[in-house]
Amino acid sequence: AQKITQTQPGMFVQEKEAVTLDCTYDTSDQSYGLFWYKQPSSGEMIFLIYQGSYDEQNATEGRYSLNFQKARKSANLVISASQLGDSAMYFCAMREGGSGGGNKLTFGTGTQLKVEL
Amino acid sequence: DTAVSQTPKYLVTQMGNDKSIKCEQNLGHDTMYWYKQDSKKFLKIMFSYNNKELIINETVPNRFSPKSPDKAHLNLHINSLELGDSAVYFCASRRTGQNTIYFGEGSWLTVV
Repeated sequence: AQKITQTQPGMFVQEKEAVTLDCTYDTSDQSYGLFWYKQPSSGEMIFLIYQGSYDEQNATEGRYSLNFQKARKSANLVISASQLGDSAMYFCAMREGGSGGGNKLTFGTGTQLKVEL
Repeated sequence: DTAVSQTPKYLVTQMGNDKSIKCEQNLGHDTMYWYKQDSKKFLKIMFSYNNKELIINETVPNRFSPKSPDKAHLNLHINSLELGDSAVYFCASRRTGQNTIYFGEGSWLTVV
């Protein structure tokens, strides 16, 4: 079974609108972390936001927020007021276990977001 | 200053050659990783080192040999390159106890 599922291969959004990128995960660990990364066409991987499994509040970083629904095992990324520069591939990822040494990220297949005028 | 830097950024080489990709981080992190991104953009862990010790090896062919001379460096050597090795290789690092993993800019390897 896939540990991270991103069901939207591609999304379009109008500039200044909000957009939600879906991510569901599967783990039996109690302690885990969820991440979103942005990969623009230039190729680098940019960290956006992190949510710990024990965090009670949804994480926010500027225009990015993570809609964490633990019972549903979902960790959707919400981008508010989309900008043309938000056009990129977005990856959801999970780290199983705590933040000790040796833990790896498992990535989803990504969602290609295109922001239109 | 780039936090996680990889060299070279682009590499085109022939099948059967041996090549290395170098990675250095100046963040004072103690854990470093190599990830491979294939042509479909799928990212998968290859190796992880913690304090120069190999702790993750994800069934990567033994043609791939990582080497960590110190905590700040993790190099990837690939022997007998094959067409299927063509990919983007990302180095990453983190500090034990902290959550964020920082990625380098990637090294585009093309085997012809």
